[in-house]
Amino acid sequence: QVQLVESGGGVVQPGGSLRLSCAASGFTFSAYTVHWVRQTPGKGLEWVAVGSYDGSYKYYGDSVKGRFTISRDNSKNTLNLQMNSLRVEDTAMYYCAKVNHGGNIDRSDAFDVWGQGTMVTVSP
Amino acid sequence: QSVLTQPPSVSGAPGQRVTISCTGGRSNIGSTYDVHWYQQLPGTAPKLLIYGNTNRPSGVPDRFSGSKSGTSASLAISGLQADDEADYYCQSYDSSLSSWVFGGGTKVTVL
Repeated sequence: QVQLVESGGGVVQPGGSLRLSCAASGFTFSAYTVHWVRQTPGKGLEWVAVGSYDGSYKYYGDSVKGRFTISRDNSKNTLNLQMNSLRVEDTAMYYCAKVNHGGNIDRSDAFDVWGQGTMVTVSP
Repeated sequence: QSVLTQPPSVSGAPGQRVTISCTGGRSNIGSTYDVHWYQQLPGTAPKLLIYGNTNRPSGVPDRFSGSKSGTSASLAISGLQADDEADYYCQSYDSSLSSWVFGGGTKVTVL
Protein backbone atom coordinates (compact mmCIF):
# COMPACT_ATOMS: atom_id res chain seq x y z
CA GLN A 1 0.00 0.00 0.00
CA VAL A 2 0.98 3.63 -0.37
CA GLN A 3 3.17 4.54 2.58
CA LEU A 4 5.44 7.30 3.83
CA VAL A 5 7.77 6.72 6.77
CA GLU A 6 9.66 9.58 8.41
CA SER A 7 12.84 9.22 10.42
CA GLY A 8 15.67 11.33 11.82
CA GLY A 9 13.92 13.22 14.57
CA GLY A 10 15.43 13.70 17.99
CA VAL A 11 16.56 16.17 20.62
CA VAL A 12 18.97 18.93 19.64
CA GLN A 13 20.21 22.15 21.20
CA PRO A 14 19.36 25.55 19.75
CA GLY A 15 21.63 26.32 16.84
CA GLY A 16 22.08 22.66 16.03
CA SER A 17 21.16 20.65 12.95
CA LEU A 18 19.09 17.60 12.08
CA ARG A 19 18.34 15.78 8.83
CA LEU A 20 14.91 14.24 8.43
CA SER A 21 14.11 11.57 5.87
CA CYS A 22 10.85 10.38 4.37
CA ALA A 23 10.90 6.93 2.76
CA ALA A 24 8.17 6.31 0.20
CA SER A 25 6.72 3.03 -1.02
CA GLY A 26 3.70 1.71 -2.88
CA PHE A 27 3.60 4.42 -5.55
CA THR A 28 5.79 6.00 -8.23
CA PHE A 29 7.62 8.42 -5.97
CA SER A 30 9.37 10.19 -8.86
CA ALA A 31 6.00 11.31 -10.24
CA TYR A 32 4.71 13.13 -7.16
CA THR A 33 5.36 16.36 -5.33
CA VAL A 34 5.86 15.83 -1.59
CA HIS A 35 5.58 18.38 1.21
CA TRP A 36 6.83 18.70 4.79
CA VAL A 37 4.22 19.86 7.33
CA ARG A 38 4.81 20.29 11.06
CA GLN A 39 2.62 20.37 14.13
CA THR A 40 3.68 21.88 17.42
CA PRO A 41 2.59 19.96 20.51
CA GLY A 42 -1.08 20.56 21.13
CA LYS A 43 -1.28 23.09 18.33
CA GLY A 44 -2.22 23.25 14.69
CA LEU A 45 -0.57 22.41 11.41
CA GLU A 46 2.04 24.55 9.64
CA TRP A 47 3.33 24.05 6.12
CA VAL A 48 7.13 23.88 6.02
CA ALA A 49 8.44 23.11 2.54
CA VAL A 50 7.71 21.44 -0.79
CA GLY A 51 9.86 19.76 -3.41
CA SER A 52 8.51 19.09 -6.89
CA TYR A 53 8.45 15.60 -8.36
CA ASP A 54 11.79 16.04 -10.09
CA GLY A 55 13.40 18.23 -7.43
CA SER A 56 13.60 21.23 -9.73
CA TYR A 57 11.24 23.42 -7.72
CA LYS A 58 11.55 24.00 -3.98
CA TYR A 59 9.56 26.40 -1.82
CA TYR A 60 9.73 27.17 1.88
CA GLY A 61 7.62 28.72 4.58
CA ASP A 62 8.83 32.09 5.85
CA SER A 63 9.65 30.70 9.29
CA VAL A 64 12.22 28.23 7.90
CA LYS A 65 13.48 29.99 4.78
CA GLY A 66 17.27 30.17 4.73
CA ARG A 67 17.63 27.54 7.46
CA PHE A 68 15.93 24.43 6.04
CA THR A 69 16.69 22.71 2.73
CA ILE A 70 14.47 20.15 1.05
CA SER A 71 15.91 17.57 -1.32
CA ARG A 72 14.93 14.25 -2.83
CA ASP A 73 16.61 11.16 -4.22
CA ASN A 74 14.20 9.57 -6.67
CA SER A 75 16.51 6.59 -7.13
CA LYS A 76 16.03 5.80 -3.44
CA ASN A 77 12.41 6.96 -3.13
CA THR A 78 13.44 9.34 -0.38
CA LEU A 79 12.66 12.95 0.53
CA ASN A 80 14.95 14.80 2.94
CA LEU A 81 14.78 17.92 5.06
CA GLN A 82 18.07 19.38 6.25
CA MET A 83 17.37 21.61 9.23
CA ASN A 84 20.10 24.02 10.34
CA SER A 85 20.23 26.81 12.94
CA LEU A 86 17.40 25.16 14.81
CA ARG A 87 15.34 27.23 17.24
CA VAL A 88 13.17 26.30 20.20
CA GLU A 89 10.14 27.25 18.13
CA ASP A 90 11.03 24.55 15.58
CA THR A 91 10.01 21.93 18.15
CA ALA A 92 7.24 19.95 16.48
CA MET A 93 6.13 16.70 14.93
CA TYR A 94 7.26 16.73 11.31
CA TYR A 95 5.17 14.95 8.68
CA CYS A 96 5.85 14.32 5.03
CA ALA A 97 2.77 14.27 2.82
CA LYS A 98 2.32 13.46 -0.87
CA VAL A 99 -0.14 15.25 -3.09
CA ASN A 100 -3.06 13.67 -4.87
CA HIS A 101 -1.98 14.52 -8.42
CA GLY A 102 1.23 13.66 -10.17
CA GLY A 103 3.31 16.15 -12.10
CA ASN A 104 4.27 19.73 -11.37
CA ILE A 105 3.45 21.58 -8.18
CA ASP A 106 -0.23 22.58 -8.16
CA ARG A 107 -1.25 24.98 -5.47
CA SER A 108 -4.68 23.38 -5.28
CA ASP A 109 -3.38 19.85 -4.67
CA ALA A 110 -4.47 18.08 -1.50
CA PHE A 111 -2.22 16.08 0.81
CA ASP A 112 -3.66 12.62 0.34
CA VAL A 113 -1.13 10.42 2.14
CA TRP A 114 0.75 11.36 5.31
CA GLY A 115 3.52 9.63 7.19
CA GLN A 116 3.28 8.88 10.90
CA GLY A 117 5.60 11.77 11.74
CA THR A 118 8.96 12.18 13.44
CA MET A 119 9.38 14.36 16.54
CA VAL A 120 11.95 17.14 16.68
CA THR A 121 12.69 18.73 20.04
CA VAL A 122 14.94 21.78 20.25
CA SER A 123 15.88 22.44 23.84
CA PRO A 124 18.81 24.06 25.69
CA GLN B 1 -3.25 33.50 14.33
CA SER B 2 -4.09 31.25 11.40
CA VAL B 3 -4.85 32.69 7.97
CA LEU B 4 -7.91 30.46 7.81
CA THR B 5 -10.27 30.85 10.76
CA GLN B 6 -12.11 27.91 12.29
CA PRO B 7 -14.16 27.71 15.50
CA PRO B 8 -12.08 26.05 18.24
CA SER B 9 -14.77 23.53 19.03
CA VAL B 10 -18.18 22.21 18.03
CA SER B 11 -20.26 19.53 19.67
CA GLY B 12 -23.36 17.51 19.00
CA ALA B 13 -25.30 14.51 20.15
CA PRO B 14 -25.04 11.18 18.34
CA GLY B 15 -27.04 11.26 15.14
CA GLN B 16 -27.05 15.05 14.89
CA ARG B 17 -25.54 17.18 12.15
CA VAL B 18 -22.69 19.59 12.86
CA THR B 19 -20.93 22.06 10.61
CA ILE B 20 -17.45 23.53 10.80
CA SER B 21 -16.74 26.84 9.11
CA CYS B 22 -13.45 27.92 7.57
CA THR B 23 -13.20 31.63 6.81
CA GLY B 24 -10.43 33.07 4.68
CA GLY B 25 -9.98 35.95 2.30
CA ARG B 26 -9.53 36.97 -1.32
CA SER B 27 -5.99 35.68 -1.50
CA ASN B 28 -6.88 32.13 -0.49
CA ILE B 29 -10.39 30.62 -0.37
CA GLY B 30 -11.83 33.60 -2.27
CA SER B 31 -9.39 32.99 -5.11
CA THR B 32 -9.16 30.00 -7.43
CA TYR B 33 -7.55 27.70 -4.86
CA ASP B 34 -9.36 24.63 -3.63
CA VAL B 35 -10.16 23.92 0.02
CA HIS B 36 -9.38 20.56 1.57
CA TRP B 37 -10.34 19.09 4.93
CA TYR B 38 -8.40 16.72 7.17
CA GLN B 39 -9.43 14.64 10.16
CA GLN B 40 -6.91 14.01 12.91
CA LEU B 41 -7.74 11.38 15.49
CA PRO B 42 -5.85 11.61 18.80
CA GLY B 43 -2.23 10.55 18.46
CA THR B 44 -2.38 9.98 14.72
CA ALA B 45 -1.41 11.79 11.54
CA PRO B 46 -3.98 13.87 9.66
CA LYS B 47 -6.12 12.03 7.13
CA LEU B 48 -7.58 13.56 3.98
CA LEU B 49 -11.35 13.82 4.40
CA ILE B 50 -12.52 16.18 1.62
CA TYR B 51 -10.51 17.39 -1.38
CA GLY B 52 -11.27 19.93 -4.06
CA ASN B 53 -13.93 21.63 -1.91
CA THR B 54 -16.54 18.88 -2.20
CA ASN B 55 -14.97 15.53 -3.10
CA ARG B 56 -14.57 12.52 -0.81
CA PRO B 57 -11.65 10.11 -1.20
CA SER B 58 -12.66 6.48 -1.49
CA GLY B 59 -13.49 5.04 1.89
CA VAL B 60 -14.75 8.27 3.44
CA PRO B 61 -18.44 7.92 4.39
CA ASP B 62 -20.95 10.15 2.66
CA ARG B 63 -21.88 11.51 6.09
CA PHE B 64 -19.03 13.94 5.47
CA SER B 65 -19.59 16.73 2.95
CA GLY B 66 -17.82 19.93 1.97
CA SER B 67 -18.83 23.18 0.38
CA LYS B 68 -17.24 26.47 -0.62
CA SER B 69 -18.78 29.89 -1.21
CA GLY B 70 -17.00 33.19 -1.59
CA THR B 71 -14.24 33.46 0.99
CA SER B 72 -15.54 30.64 3.20
CA ALA B 73 -15.83 26.88 3.21
CA SER B 74 -17.70 24.44 5.40
CA LEU B 75 -17.47 20.83 6.48
CA ALA B 76 -20.68 19.10 7.51
CA ILE B 77 -20.88 15.87 9.45
CA SER B 78 -24.31 14.26 9.51
CA GLY B 79 -25.38 11.29 11.62
CA LEU B 80 -22.68 12.14 14.16
CA GLN B 81 -20.95 9.09 15.63
CA ALA B 82 -18.67 8.60 18.63
CA ASP B 83 -15.66 7.84 16.45
CA ASP B 84 -16.06 11.21 14.70
CA GLU B 85 -14.49 12.78 17.79
CA ALA B 86 -11.33 14.32 16.38
CA ASP B 87 -9.69 17.54 15.29
CA TYR B 88 -10.63 18.84 11.84
CA TYR B 89 -8.50 21.19 9.74
CA CYS B 90 -9.22 23.11 6.58
CA GLN B 91 -6.38 23.87 4.14
CA SER B 92 -5.84 25.97 1.04
CA TYR B 93 -3.17 28.08 -0.62
CA ASP B 94 -2.56 31.78 -0.03
CA SER B 95 -1.16 33.79 -2.93
CA SER B 96 -0.22 36.81 -0.79
CA LEU B 97 1.88 34.66 1.51
CA SER B 98 3.02 32.27 -1.25
CA SER B 99 2.27 29.52 1.21
CA TRP B 100 0.03 26.55 1.76
CA VAL B 101 -2.09 27.43 4.79
CA PHE B 102 -4.17 25.61 7.38
CA GLY B 103 -6.98 26.61 9.66
CA GLY B 104 -6.36 26.50 13.39
CA GLY B 105 -8.39 23.33 13.76
CA THR B 106 -11.76 22.48 15.28
CA LYS B 107 -12.28 19.87 17.95
CA VAL B 108 -15.49 17.92 17.48
CA THR B 109 -17.00 16.46 20.64
CA VAL B 110 -19.81 13.92 20.58
CA LEU B 111 -21.98 14.49 23.64
